[in-house]
Amino acid sequence: DGGITQSPKYLFRKEGQNVTLSCEQNLNHDAMYWYRQDPGQGLRLIYYSQIVNDFQKGDIAEGYSVSREKKESFPLTVTSAQKNPTAFYLCASSLRPSGSSYTQYFGPGTRLTVL
Amino acid sequence: AQSVTQPDIHITVSEGASLELRCNYSYGATPYLFWYVQSPGQGLQLLLKYFSGDTLVQGIKGFEAEFKRSQSSFNLRKPSVHWSDAAEYFCAATSYGFQGAQKLVFGQGTRLTINP
Repeated sequence: DGGITQSPKYLFRKEGQNVTLSCEQNLNHDAMYWYRQDPGQGLRLIYYSQIVNDFQKGDIAEGYSVSREKKESFPLTVTSAQKNPTAFYLCASSLRPSGSSYTQYFGPGTRLTVL
Repeated sequence: AQSVTQPDIHITVSEGASLELRCNYSYGATPYLFWYVQSPGQGLQLLLKYFSGDTLVQGIKGFEAEFKRSQSSFNLRKPSVHWSDAAEYFCAATSYGFQGAQKLVFGQGTRLTINP
């Protein structure tokens, strides 16, 4: 089955630690995205990538980093510089970054809790 | 600034009743518009989308939405809700980012509760 997988489903981190959230897709989509979701605030864009080896900051990139070395993978690292990292993180992908093939499909999410 | 507004944070309806969830957008041109549904602790599932053409769009699970340019609205409707429709619903619209890439701007979401 084609789709987007995120791992782990739950992640616990101690303050001061970096953690990496995995996102993999087998849909052959060019573009991938990371969002953060907090209660009552909808979804906010962290980073996005239109193509391999290229990515841009979204609206709340501070304290986060990404890489796009393979088309199917777009891992997100939450660094110790992120002041309030406890949230639900969602990965998404779209066939193309714009135009009529621009529809984003979402993974199941990772819930990160800082202890 | 481009924005999407869902005026209702929480709506409660009885099972079998009709449903309308409101969505308003603020954009210079007609954006692409989407409705997603999210069950607790899950990812977002696409219900329907509007790019152009017929302003009444049919989606999955019996949902439909109507694009009204004059009102800058894209309201979601269902004629008869089922208990399984209880979830959070998000309206989203595109904006343009780096080198023409499109990004989604989301509304705050509307939580739907179904009374038996």
